[in-house]
Amino acid sequence: DAKTTQPNSMESNEEEPVHLPCNHSTISGTDYIHWYRQLPSQGPEYVIHGLTSNVNNRMASLAIAEDRKSSTLILHRATLRDAAVYYCILRDDNTDKLIFGTGTRLQVFP
Amino acid sequence: DGGITQSPKYLFRKEGQNVTLSCEQNLNHDAMYWYRQDPGQGLRLIYYSQIVNDFQKGDIAEGYSVSREKKESFPLTVTSAQKNPTAFYLCASSSGWGELFFGEGSRLTVL
Repeated sequence: DAKTTQPNSMESNEEEPVHLPCNHSTISGTDYIHWYRQLPSQGPEYVIHGLTSNVNNRMASLAIAEDRKSSTLILHRATLRDAAVYYCILRDDNTDKLIFGTGTRLQVFP
Repeated sequence: DGGITQSPKYLFRKEGQNVTLSCEQNLNHDAMYWYRQDPGQGLRLIYYSQIVNDFQKGDIAEGYSVSREKKESFPLTVTSAQKNPTAFYLCASSSGWGELFFGEGSRLTVL
């Protein structure tokens, strides 16, 4: 199974952009890149996903490197409600298997 | 409203007992998943099922069992063979294009 590597923690101030990196050097051609976030004692919440092209939605943007070995989740203006653990995971399109790593804990300061 | 429901939210078990955690979804999703989360850790995949009457082991299936007799239901049994079952258990379902919908979780404590 392809694995992902993320920094353990990151910090940001409110209203500033946040770039959360993820390395996935062993990604295969059929793996989709997914991002989820989790608040304490809750189930993870879907944020965004993509395959090759950059993606935007109301929550965030996903920038995918040309070789697909890394990606960056971009929160354009961090709010206090964005403080959570962010998981970058790969979904094998053939098996539907999703493996979570340890994630990045994002702290947002007022 | 459509969603995924886990029960019970909290469960206490004596050592040596089997317990079953319920997971029901009304989203008409084919794929369902069970994850385990320990304090301060990420999610680890226990079992997953892509279709009714079929399921596959995840990374930590030992001591757990599942069934998928109906599309909307994917119960997880924590058996006495699971040596350290105290954890937060999360069930999820997914449509074909992959967004996971999670339940609120079940917190199991072994006394």
